[in-house]
Amino acid sequence: DQQVKQNSPSLSVQEGRISILNCDYTNSMFDYFLWYKKYPAEGPTFLISISSIKDKNEDGRFTVFLNKSAKHLSLHIVPSQPGDSAVYFCAASDQGGSEKLVFGKGTKLTVNP
Amino acid sequence: DTAVSQTPKYLVTQMGNDKSIKCEQNLGHDTMYWYKQDSKKFLKIMFSYNNKELIINETVPNRFSPKSPDKAHLNLHINSLELGDSAVYFCASSHEISGLRGYTFGSGTRLTVV
Repeated sequence: DQQVKQNSPSLSVQEGRISILNCDYTNSMFDYFLWYKKYPAEGPTFLISISSIKDKNEDGRFTVFLNKSAKHLSLHIVPSQPGDSAVYFCAASDQGGSEKLVFGKGTKLTVNP
Repeated sequence: DTAVSQTPKYLVTQMGNDKSIKCEQNLGHDTMYWYKQDSKKFLKIMFSYNNKELIINETVPNRFSPKSPDKAHLNLHINSLELGDSAVYFCASSHEISGLRGYTFGSGTRLTVV
């Protein structure tokens, strides 16, 4: 029972273009969403988050959009850089409940020079 | 000055053995976790401790026993290791900032049971 789904296992984009990574969730109790970036043999590193009271959060080249009615969020990276190549995990939590993070399966982003 | 550190990074052991993985955080966080990333790459929570008290146990077999001697440490002991225990285990910690939790992960321990 996957509560957080990342349906694209991989994504390839050209340097300088926009990368859009998508995430869907099923649990309506989730009220806090996070994106993590992971390089091989390293732990997930926090990238950006969004609370359910917002529909957009921006940090430099990274923007996360939240559509609560569709239970969908997306991460936009623009412009994409080769160093952005990594696996990106979407995670969600119920901050009013257990607060545990529930992860998607990840999307491997490759940015080609 | 690593924030969340786990040891060892790699662990190869035979079936039936007992092994431990250690985790320490120097962030002053009040909650610590163990996550397991299996061969299908899912990252799933196993345990959560808040100030040394167990608050989440996600139906993990009894062979897995977490121990938190203080709020900066959360160790994972595994008895009678099985082939299916092979995975990457991540320790994490969190604390609340302005009503929301910030989570920090360790670099993982790759356990291989042969």
